[in-house]
Order: sequence, then C-alpha cells, then structure tokens
Amino acid sequence: KAGVTQTPRYLIKTRGQQVTLSCSPISGHRSVSWYQQTPGQGLQFLFEYFSETQRNKGNFPGRFSGRQFSNSRSEMNVSTLELGDSALYLCASSKGQGAWETQYFGPGTRLLVL
Amino acid sequence: QKEVEQNSGPLSVPEGAIASLNCTYSDRGSQSFFWYRQYSGKSPELIMFIYSNGDKEDGRFTAQLNKASQYVSLLIRDSQPSDSATYLCAVNINNAGNMLTFGGGTRLMVKP
Repeated sequence: KAGVTQTPRYLIKTRGQQVTLSCSPISGHRSVSWYQQTPGQGLQFLFEYFSETQRNKGNFPGRFSGRQFSNSRSEMNVSTLELGDSALYLCASSKGQGAWETQYFGPGTRLLVL
Repeated sequence: QKEVEQNSGPLSVPEGAIASLNCTYSDRGSQSFFWYRQYSGKSPELIMFIYSNGDKEDGRFTAQLNKASQYVSLLIRDSQPSDSATYLCAVNINNAGNMLTFGGGTRLMVKP
C-alpha cells in the first residue's frame, strides 16, 4: 500500500509570496493532519481535517489555512510568507479521527523563504 | 512548562546495549502515546504506540507507560548503529482528535 505523498518536496519562495502544499493520504485514510517542524520549535500541530471539515487547529496565525477534498487529499496554504515560515511541513494521515488513531507521516515539503 | 518533555541528549550507548528514552507529559487526561523515530533529513516514522499502563513489546522495542507518574518510556534492546536517530514522544493531549503534541526529541547515538 502506498504511503502518504506530499508535493512538492522542496520549495523556495520569497517574502510576501504565498504557497500551496499538497498531501495525498494513504488509501482508505480519511483524516489528514499538518505539522510544521523547525529546529527552534520542533514539531508543531497546524490543523487537522476529517471528512472535508477542519476538526482541530493549532496556534498559528490566519495566514496558514487548509482544506480537504472529497477524496481525502488535502492542501495547505500559507499567504504573505515570512522568513520564519521556513520549515519542514509534514502531513500525516490516519484512518479515522480519535485519540487512538495512529498517524503516518509523509516525506514532507521543505520550504525555504528568502 | 512544556506539555511534553524529553531530554534532548545526545544519549550515547555502545552497540548491543539497552537504550532508555524517557518522556513526561503534563495532562493527566492524556490517553494515547506514540514514539516516532526520525533520521536526519527524513520524516518521523512510527515505532510504537501505547494506551494502557504497563509494558508493550514489539521486537527489540518496549514502550512503558505510567499514567500515575505521567511518564512514558521507550527501551531499545540490543541497540544497533542504525538505531542512531532522534526519537520523538507524542501525546494526544485532552483526547483532541488527531492532534498530537510532540516533545523536542532525544537524539540517540549508538557507537559501534
């Protein structure tokens, strides 16, 4: 079974631009969560989608947004990029939603903001 | 106080030894606990999950959970150089859907 896929894998943007990242979950998985990983802050939760609805949101500004499509694929968007948005953005999928669900991570998208 | 805490390390053990990684969490209502391994430049890979007090074994890995003391640990027996990585403890705090709160990770170095 194919794992979680993320595109693109690497991205370079300049301040003020916007970016859209894509995530395709494992087949049959309906929940997609997004995380940001930086050397300073570690892995931080951005948001979670299940059945096309945002179920949880982390403590990030409104410049970070996302959506999920009917086939469970998800996208996240960051508008008005700042230097501090440079990070590894990870998508994780799970079958359902709940405390006992195991999440499997994709390879990540490494974003560099210049 | 951080919600999930880990010693950043590095924890250095000789090949063949037992590596013990620890994690403490602040929310007593947390129900599920996960250990991920992350190699440099790669994404986290799930190693184990544990929900009940006690030990859970899977091959060379044993996860231990003590809810009363609010800690979870991971033991790696017969450590191999290929186990050298950062180990991330993740907790589903407040049973918040699929939202995981991660510790900062412990870097493990297994020396041949």
